[in-house]
Amino acid sequence: EPEVTQTPSHQVTQMGQEVILRCVPISNHLYFYWYRQILGQKVEFLVSFYNNEISEKSEIFDDQFSVERPDGSNFTLKIRSTKLEDSAMYFCASSEVQQTNYGYTFGSGTRLTVV
Amino acid sequence: LAKTTQPISMDSYEGQEVNITCSHNNIATNDYITWYQQFPSQGPRFIIQGYKTKVTNEVASLFIPADRKSSTLSLPRVSLSDTAVYYCLVGDSSNDYKLSFGAGTTVTVRA
Repeated sequence: EPEVTQTPSHQVTQMGQEVILRCVPISNHLYFYWYRQILGQKVEFLVSFYNNEISEKSEIFDDQFSVERPDGSNFTLKIRSTKLEDSAMYFCASSEVQQTNYGYTFGSGTRLTVV
Repeated sequence: LAKTTQPISMDSYEGQEVNITCSHNNIATNDYITWYQQFPSQGPRFIIQGYKTKVTNEVASLFIPADRKSSTLSLPRVSLSDTAVYYCLVGDSSNDYKLSFGAGTTVTVRA
């Protein structure tokens, strides 16, 4: 079964540092997403990306966040200056179509710890 | 987005059938019902989706009554590995391209 791959699985960074979380979506998928889950809380939508553009973003996705598809396979989330409250699991997802009822495939996540 | 209500937690034993009911009283005509499963420290995994009546796949069954104001996810003969959080999501896929997760139902399967 095709998988969404995320690296690293764990990242510890100091407050104020930049981090880049990496994802390799499923190869024939066209739509890409980032979600996050703070420990013990709900899974929250951050951003959706299609055709090299952000198609939708949430209030959480402020100027400190950016996404990029630097080549044909990777999809990255950059947090420019991390804060303690950015500590969370970050999940990448991809889908063949954008309609939610078809189901999205999520990766196993990157646990980001900001100290 | 239709608001959903589901139990916070459920306990079961291996080999039993687990039924999780989700209420969505203000579901709209174009809304689909989708269920995801999340194991600890893993991303959510799509299980099943439906619009009305009954849908079955290799993992679960989804029962939706005629008024569509609720739905029931049925997990047959659960094992310890089915211990997870199960999320019911309701939305209009033609207009809403992001998934909105609630708190979900934590299902604990015991030996």
